[in-house]
Amino acid sequence: DADVTQTPRNRITKTGKRIMLECSQTKGHDRMYWYRQDPGLGLRLIYYSFDVKDINKGEISDGYSVSRQAQAKFSLSLESAIPNQTALYFCATSDLSANQGFGETQYFGPGTRLLVL
Amino acid sequence: GDSVTQMEGPVTLSEEAFLTINCTYTATGYPSLFWYVQYPGEGLQLLLKATKADDKGSNKGFEATYRKETTSFHLEKGSVQVSDSAVYFCALYWGGSEKLVFGKGTKLTVNP
Repeated sequence: DADVTQTPRNRITKTGKRIMLECSQTKGHDRMYWYRQDPGLGLRLIYYSFDVKDINKGEISDGYSVSRQAQAKFSLSLESAIPNQTALYFCATSDLSANQGFGETQYFGPGTRLLVL
Repeated sequence: GDSVTQMEGPVTLSEEAFLTINCTYTATGYPSLFWYVQYPGEGLQLLLKATKADDKGSNKGFEATYRKETTSFHLEKGSVQVSDSAVYFCALYWGGSEKLVFGKGTKLTVNP
């Protein structure tokens, strides 16, 4: 079984709808991240959480919100979806104890492809 | 702010050709540098990393050397295979921000 899972894998929605993307991990990592990937723009960080009580905005948080329900679960919500939120969304995790000041490996889920009409 | 610049893609090579994907960075302090790879339909996975100047990261025949003097971390492979077709991302990490900063990615296609 995959260590980092995302649901749904594909989603089509309409402008103005509220949707939630979910991420679960079995790696026991404390840190979790949400990124979006757009062609020609690479990965951009939306939100990140270093533990259950610590949630931080990334570079493109406007229009998004998150919830860290447990160490293993980190959800991303689009309160009112718009077409320019059409993208591939990735969840990732990392282990603080592996950091040692040099940055720890991030482990990515398979992605959720979102289309907003 | 911290940033990573990768060569524009896409890159198309024949099997057994030599690969170089250029990556340069701008950072305060002394970052760690990473290459991640994204195979079709999958999430990213770490390919290799280097944590200080002159370190060489290597994995699966790929190599990259951390060059502080040229602020570069170019990815190389001597003989690519069709299975290397993927998108490659250069990234940096600096302890002050505790986040990865990714380049825009370079798509590689290897033809038989």
